Amino acid sequence: DIQMTQSPSTLSASVGDRVTITCRASQSISSWLAWYQQKPGKAPKLLIYKASSLESGVPSRFSGSGSGTEFTLTISSLQPDDFATYYCQQYNSYYLTFGGGTKVEIK
Amino acid sequence: QLQLQESGPGLVKPSETLSLTCTVSGGSISSSSYYWGWIRQPPGKGLEWIGSIYYSGSTYYNPSLKSRVTISVDTSKNQFSLKLSSVTAADTAVYYCARLRPAAGTFGRYFQHWGQGTLVTVSS
Repeated sequence: DIQMTQSPSTLSASVGDRVTITCRASQSISSWLAWYQQKPGKAPKLLIYKASSLESGVPSRFSGSGSGTEFTLTISSLQPDDFATYYCQQYNSYYLTFGGGTKVEIK
Repeated sequence: QLQLQESGPGLVKPSETLSLTCTVSGGSISSSSYYWGWIRQPPGKGLEWIGSIYYSGSTYYNPSLKSRVTISVDTSKNQFSLKLSSVTAADTAVYYCARLRPAAGTFGRYFQHWGQGTLVTVSS
């Protein structure tokens, strides 16, 4: 199966900062990558699909890029509501895998 | 508005079978193209896909769990279910059900709508 590796595992940032999270796949997954945001005690929420397509209703400060094996999620100006854990997920085949997560903390 | 709700016992004994049901409202589980799936998250850890099912009954399971997992669908009740056998403490987790959105060009899918999750603890 395809392994997904996220970095960093934890990120400390301030409101207004530009934040970038990286996700690497163990083999090429084309652009078949989604990003989710999860807050404590809540279900994950879809942010980005097909590496760079913004889900309806998601603020435009979130953006995704990449293809092949390396992907990034960028938050252009971090807002208080954005402190959460972020996960990537590949869907190159029926067999789905998630990255280990990146927790974005208040600096 | 689509809603998914997990239900089932919150406590299961070791070696027994974990059984959960996901009830779908605000949409039909028989909608073409959509798969339905289960994901779990051990306390303080990351997400793990368990398996997915189509309304026709076609299933795909995580290879690491395949020998213990059965996912089934009941279109008359607009529900799908998870059974995980021979559980151990390592199966303690929040279990989520979700609807998967298809993507043109790949057999894979991503999770568009999620239930709120239910904590299942494995303990004697």
